[in-house]
Amino acid sequence: QQQVKQSPQSLIVQKGGISIINCAYENTAFDYFPWYQQFPGKGPALLIAIRPDVSEKKEGRFTISFNKSAKQFSLHIMDSQPGDSATYFCAAKGGNTGFQKLVFGTGTRLLVSP
Amino acid sequence: ETGVTQSPTHLIKTRGQQVTLRCSSQSGHNTVSWYQQALGQGPQFIFQYYREEENGRGNFPPRFSGLQFPNYSSELNVNALELDDSALYLCASSPPGSRYTEAFFGQGTRLTVV
Repeated sequence: QQQVKQSPQSLIVQKGGISIINCAYENTAFDYFPWYQQFPGKGPALLIAIRPDVSEKKEGRFTISFNKSAKQFSLHIMDSQPGDSATYFCAAKGGNTGFQKLVFGTGTRLLVSP
Repeated sequence: ETGVTQSPTHLIKTRGQQVTLRCSSQSGHNTVSWYQQALGQGPQFIFQYYREEENGRGNFPPRFSGLQFPNYSSELNVNALELDDSALYLCASSPPGSRYTEAFFGQGTRLTVV
C-alpha cells in the first residue's frame, strides 16, 4: 500500500511536443504529491508539487493533474525542450507516521529529440 | 545560503567493510533524511533524523545506522557491506515547519561494493 506506480519507464518526445508521465497510488493517507527531476550524477530536484484539495497546478511549462477518486496524478511538460531530457520521479508523502517520508515511483527517463 | 552537500562523491569498498557517508544540511534545516537509490530505481527511504534523534525508519536492516549532530549535519554508517549495498546514497534536508515543506537533496554519494 506504500507503493507509487509510475509509467512509462521511458519516453521519447520531439522538441515542442507534450510529455506526459502518469502515477498511481493506493494509500489514501498520502496528502502531498511532488515531482522531482534528476539529471545524471545529480540529486533529485523538486519541480512542482500538489495537494489533493486541487485538481490541477501549473508552473510555467509544467502542469500536475490530480484525480483523487482514481488515486492518480500526472505530469505534463508542454513545449518540451532538449534541456528537459532527464529522469522524472513522482513521489507521495503523508499519513500518520509522524515523519516526512517520501515514497518515490520508479522513474521515467525522458528524451526530448531536437 | 549553501545547499545540501555530501561527501565523498564516490567511494569503492570491499564486501564486509564498513563505510561512513557525510551530509551537511542546508542552512536552517533541522531535519535530515537518507535515501538509497539503486541503479534505474527511485530513491528508497532509509531513515530520518530530527533534533539528533532517529524519528522514522524504512525497511533497512540495523547495519544501516546514522547520527545527527547539533549543527544538523548527519552521517550514514553501513556495517558489513554487501554487494547489493552498491547504490547512490542521497541525503535530503528539510526546514522546520509544516508537513508540506520541500526536501532538498544533495548530489549523492556513489558507493560501489566489490
